[in-house]
Amino acid sequence: NAGVTQTPKFRVLKTGQSMTLLCAQDMNHEYMYWYRQDPGMGLRLIHYSVGEGTTAKGEVPDGYNVSRLKKQNFLLGLESAAPSQTSVYFCASSGQGNQPQHFGDGTRLSIL
Amino acid sequence: GENVEQHPSTLSVQEGDSAVIKCTYSDSASNYFPWYKQELGKRPQLIIDIRSNVGEKKDQRIAVTLNKTAKHFSLHITETQPEDSAVYFCAASLSGGYNKLIFGAGTRLAVHP
Repeated sequence: NAGVTQTPKFRVLKTGQSMTLLCAQDMNHEYMYWYRQDPGMGLRLIHYSVGEGTTAKGEVPDGYNVSRLKKQNFLLGLESAAPSQTSVYFCASSGQGNQPQHFGDGTRLSIL
Repeated sequence: GENVEQHPSTLSVQEGDSAVIKCTYSDSASNYFPWYKQELGKRPQLIIDIRSNVGEKKDQRIAVTLNKTAKHFSLHITETQPEDSAVYFCAASLSGGYNKLIFGAGTRLAVHP
């Protein structure tokens, strides 16, 4: 039982490049979330999904897109990377009801 | 928008002392309050949580208290150990459901032997 798995763990991009971050969970959770973590700012919600085929905007959605084609996977895309998107990205999932969120190990992304 | 304020931002204690971290939330509909511990370079991990129908919850050396009237909740760590050194985040659930959370900015706790 791996829980929440994120790939890749590290990535360096040049400004304007695109990439996709993958999150996979094996807990059969309905809800999945993408956060970014910046120094001194805690975790901020980018987008979330409440079930297969659904997505919704969080607190800081601009510059990102997401897709949830399969229940176990939640993808975060950067279409045209900007230096301001340099951050550590965490994926999380939770079951229905007031259940805790379980986090992946994060992806450290640097945009040059 | 809704927010969670967390204090202090850094906390330094001697091994064996107690540590207290306080959070204040703004969303009156919040009913779930988890605390996460994040070691350097690792994922946030849930250490304790409390729901709005409970005023206090304990798990060995850690406890959380909730005051819904004042909209604040606190984490208490007793008999601190060096392995308690980490960044601690409080969070509050957002109205609208789906277990969405809003996080505090974090407290860096250092426990000195």
